[in-house]
Amino acid sequence: GGIITQTPKFLIGQEGQKLTLKCQQNFNHDTMYWYRQDSGKGLRLIYYSITENDLQKGDLSEGYDASREKKSSFSLTVTSAQKNEMAVFLCASSPDWGNQDTQYFGPGTRLLVL
Amino acid sequence: GEQVEQRPPHLSVREGDSAVITCTYTDPNSYYFFWYKQEPGASLQLLMKVFSSTEINEGQGFTVLLNKKDKRLSLNLTAAHPGDSAAYFCAVSGEGNRIFFGDGTQLVVKP
Repeated sequence: GGIITQTPKFLIGQEGQKLTLKCQQNFNHDTMYWYRQDSGKGLRLIYYSITENDLQKGDLSEGYDASREKKSSFSLTVTSAQKNEMAVFLCASSPDWGNQDTQYFGPGTRLLVL
Repeated sequence: GEQVEQRPPHLSVREGDSAVITCTYTDPNSYYFFWYKQEPGASLQLLMKVFSSTEINEGQGFTVLLNKKDKRLSLNLTAAHPGDSAAYFCAVSGEGNRIFFGDGTQLVVKP
């Protein structure tokens, strides 16, 4: 088995601030994802990385940057935090890039912007 | 692209009752389907992965039904217990090698 670790668990930021969320996986999976989860909503894909050194925009990439530093880690940056923003950011990984692959999720980072 | 609609958004049942959550999707070529469970404060855990070739899928305490003709996927929890209280999400494969999630159902099982 493996595990996905996300840091920090909670993140409180100020309006306009640049905030970075980190994700590590030890599954040795090729593909990693960042999703945003708003209360009462499904998961919306922000960025994904098919393999190391790859970066792809999802449906919600505006306002975010991402970086796949190495195979095991994938970071997400909120480029300018929006006032009163509150969401959970979920990192996931899958063995390969393909819609047949099960995605494994991390515990999430809870963001609150004051 | 693929549209996934999940109903109901909230569901409250008594312990021992059944609970049914349904997702409809639009892409007739969808082949892989997933149900995830998210307990409060925890991450999404895979409940079951379903292939389009199998219409009835039995799990521990639940059944997943796939109706390809109607493009409907359902999660049926039989004899729900308080430990089943969680958010449930369906996910459906679609174009571009992507997976698309429903908006989730918040299930509460009362003792």
